[in-house]
Amino acid sequence: KAGVTQTPRYLIKTRGQQVTLSCSPISGHRSVSWYQQTPGQGLQFLFEYFSETQRNKGNFPGRFSGRQFSNSRSEMNVSTLELGDSALYLCASSSGTGVNQPQHFGDGTRLSIL
Amino acid sequence: GQQLNQSPQSMFIQEGEDVSMNCTSSSIFNTWLWYKQDPGEGPVLLIALYKAGELTSNGRPTAQFGITRKDSFLNISASIPSDVGIYFCAGSSGTYKYIFGTGTRLKVLA
Repeated sequence: KAGVTQTPRYLIKTRGQQVTLSCSPISGHRSVSWYQQTPGQGLQFLFEYFSETQRNKGNFPGRFSGRQFSNSRSEMNVSTLELGDSALYLCASSSGTGVNQPQHFGDGTRLSIL
Repeated sequence: GQQLNQSPQSMFIQEGEDVSMNCTSSSIFNTWLWYKQDPGEGPVLLIALYKAGELTSNGRPTAQFGITRKDSFLNISASIPSDVGIYFCAGSSGTYKYIFGTGTRLKVLA
């Protein structure tokens, strides 16, 4: 069974630009969650999508947005990039049909802001 | 953002020794998960726990769901060099959302 696939693996951007990251969940999984991982802050929850609807949202500014498509693939967009947005962005999928389903992670997209 | 307290932050142990780490929360959780993350990769699920008092093994790692439902423990017996990595706990109170611990960095000395 293929795992969670995130593209691209690495990205370099400059301040003020915007970026879109992509996540393909495990086949059959309908929930996709996004996390930001930094050495200082650990894993911080961004948002979760289920059946094309945002079901949960973390405490990040509106520059961070996402969406989910009918095939459960998800994208995350960050606009007006800041130096502090440099991080590993992880996507995790689960079946989403019951509470407390375990999440399975992709290998992430490492975003560097110059 | 909200995080769980995970301890210790880091551990240096000799190969063959047993490892113990724990995670505590101020909130009650319905589910505890334990993950291992290797450099350059995403976290990999080791163990999922769903009931207070539950003890579950996945080979050498064993995890327990604390009776108070506010803590969880991970033990790894007879550590080997490939156990090196960062171990994360995660808890959920049934909102389709997980809160993650700060991580325990494990280094195994051969």
